[in-house]
Amino acid sequence: DVKVTQSSRYLVKRTGEKVFLECVQDMDHENMFWYRQDPGLGLRLIYFSYDVKMKEKGDIPEGYSVSREKKERFSLILESASTNQTSMYLCASMAGSYNSPLHFGNGTRLTVT
Amino acid sequence: KQEVTQIPAALSVPEGENLVLNCSFTDSAIYNLQWFRQDPGKGLTSLLLIQSSQREQTSGRLNASLDKSSGRSTLYIAASQPGDSATYLCAVCETSYDKVIFGPGTSLSVIP
Repeated sequence: DVKVTQSSRYLVKRTGEKVFLECVQDMDHENMFWYRQDPGLGLRLIYFSYDVKMKEKGDIPEGYSVSREKKERFSLILESASTNQTSMYLCASMAGSYNSPLHFGNGTRLTVT
Repeated sequence: KQEVTQIPAALSVPEGENLVLNCSFTDSAIYNLQWFRQDPGKGLTSLLLIQSSQREQTSGRLNASLDKSSGRSTLYIAASQPGDSATYLCAVCETSYDKVIFGPGTSLSVIP
């Protein structure tokens, strides 16, 4: 079974802090994604990556950056956390074929105070 | 821009009933459509994936259909159980931007 592991389940940070959310997958998947999920807004794509060192902006990239130095790891960075970035963050991975399913981690609930 | 909608937003049924969840999308240029289940506070679990060339997929009590030309998919759950209570989301993988776009979900409650 594919395993996608997010390093923290719950995180509390202060406004202005730099925040790193880590995601690791164990199935050698080419594609990795970061979403945020908010009540009433659903899942929104922040960034995705289809290869090492490659990144593409999703629908809401402002205030975020990503890093993919190794194939199995995709990091989301909040350069200067703000209260409107309080959310559930979900990482997902998918094999190179577009007819492969998405596999999600359990999510990180981030609170910025 | 691709938009995915789901009806109803919430559904409550007695145990044992068969039920149908609906998903619509605006752009038929998709590789596939997926159905997911999400339990409260957790990530999403993939249930079924239908390729754009397929009409339906089945897994146990679940059956998903796809009508790409009309932009619709349904998830049929047979003989519902309390353990089926969760939020069900559909998502399309679009060809134009290689992204997966999610619907808002249907919250299902199965009453014992």
